[in-house]
Amino acid sequence: GAGVSQSPSNKVTEKGKDVELRCDPISGHTALYWYRQSLGQGLEFLIYFQGNSAPDKSGLPSDRFSAERTGGSVSTLTIQRTQQEDSAVYLCASRLGRGAVTEAFFGQGTRLTVV
Amino acid sequence: GDSVTQMEGPVTLSEEAFLTINCTYTATGYPSLFWYVQYPGEGLQLLLKATKADDKGSNKGFEATYRKETTSFHLEKGSVQVSDSAVYFCALNDPQKLTFGTGTRLTIIP
Repeated sequence: GAGVSQSPSNKVTEKGKDVELRCDPISGHTALYWYRQSLGQGLEFLIYFQGNSAPDKSGLPSDRFSAERTGGSVSTLTIQRTQQEDSAVYLCASRLGRGAVTEAFFGQGTRLTVV
Repeated sequence: GDSVTQMEGPVTLSEEAFLTINCTYTATGYPSLFWYVQYPGEGLQLLLKATKADDKGSNKGFEATYRKETTSFHLEKGSVQVSDSAVYFCALNDPQKLTFGTGTRLTIIP
């Protein structure tokens, strides 16, 4: 596609429910990142994929969070048993290749509200 | 691990003022450095980048020079406009993980 696409754009869920957030990166981009942006805060790194593998999962806040990427393309971030502190905007970005010089392109984000 | 430290915000300036937003980094390798901008209601987008020491990135009147000796990548603009009001993020890429600073909210008053 033309850009990084995330869905849904907004999600309201009840505390304790599971949610799935989807990211469709730019075609051909092998690197994919998930970040979390809480209100008024910076970008919190969650996980990074190179192809289908995740060499860096260090940012996942707890074992309730998991992510996968299939076919080197679409990625899904799953949050189990959601808590109110999970409320944030979840951003996905993709980048071409492994090189350090290429820029990352961001999606519009999914705004998650846990009530 | 790698880290980016940004000037604390928020920053409020009058139109046509000179802007500096400080950014310093810690990295074990030879990172590329980026400034991203998030305008109100929009997603993050690249503002400028520099890929090696002494490179200067520039775009929309903004500039930043990659200073290896001071591990800095300060963002500057000579004369800001109301339309520059946004949140600015400094970031480094070394070589795969993209690490961001906490962001600096800039508000320009007419």
